[in-house]
Amino acid sequence: GNSVTQMEGPVTLSEEAFLTINCTYTATGYPSLFWYVQYPGEGLQLLLKATKADDKGSNKGFEATYRKETTSFHLEKGSVQVSDSAVYFCALPTFNAGGTSYGKLTFGQGTILTVHP
Amino acid sequence: NAGVTQTPKFQVLKTGQSMTLQCAQDMNHNSMYWYRQDPGMGLRLIYYSASEGTTDKGEVPNGYNVSRLNKREFSLRLESAAPSQTSVYFCASTSGWSTDTQYFGPGTRLTVL
Repeated sequence: GNSVTQMEGPVTLSEEAFLTINCTYTATGYPSLFWYVQYPGEGLQLLLKATKADDKGSNKGFEATYRKETTSFHLEKGSVQVSDSAVYFCALPTFNAGGTSYGKLTFGQGTILTVHP
Repeated sequence: NAGVTQTPKFQVLKTGQSMTLQCAQDMNHNSMYWYRQDPGMGLRLIYYSASEGTTDKGEVPNGYNVSRLNKREFSLRLESAAPSQTSVYFCASTSGWSTDTQYFGPGTRLTVL
């Protein structure tokens, strides 16, 4: 089945530093790929997604490119802010034997990001 | 448009007590999910409902039951709580397509003593 391996954390950066969080996946075909973010005390929310190979998702200064050659979807931001401190999850759909997902997702373990002023 | 709502926000139970976590969505979504989040374990799917009237087990269903009351509501019941069920519980919903976003509630922090 589909699976995702996410960079272990925690990651600690100074404000304005460059951020990369690695995510690699194993999947049949080219499913959609997602990054979710969880701010302290909140539920997860979608940060960005790419629905087909070679697409780039972007939002709030974050970017990730769906690279089928390296089966990767790494998250990047050029200049992080203290407000970006959160937990970041890479995810992809989970399909049953009949090829239906019903919207189910498999999540990575999450990467804790802390940004200091 | 409230999105996904969950009640209660916090709960403390004693071992053996029962309780029901409530979840509702106002986005007319077909699919709904219950997850638990534990430190270092990421999110694990407990149960899901692909559509009104159907429910299926996820990765960690033991000790839980669910009810899809109608299209809006999906409840999670702990019949006899155990300390191992201390966790943060999240409800989520989506239209059901693999390309679509899951929308999460704010979570319920449950402690079982």
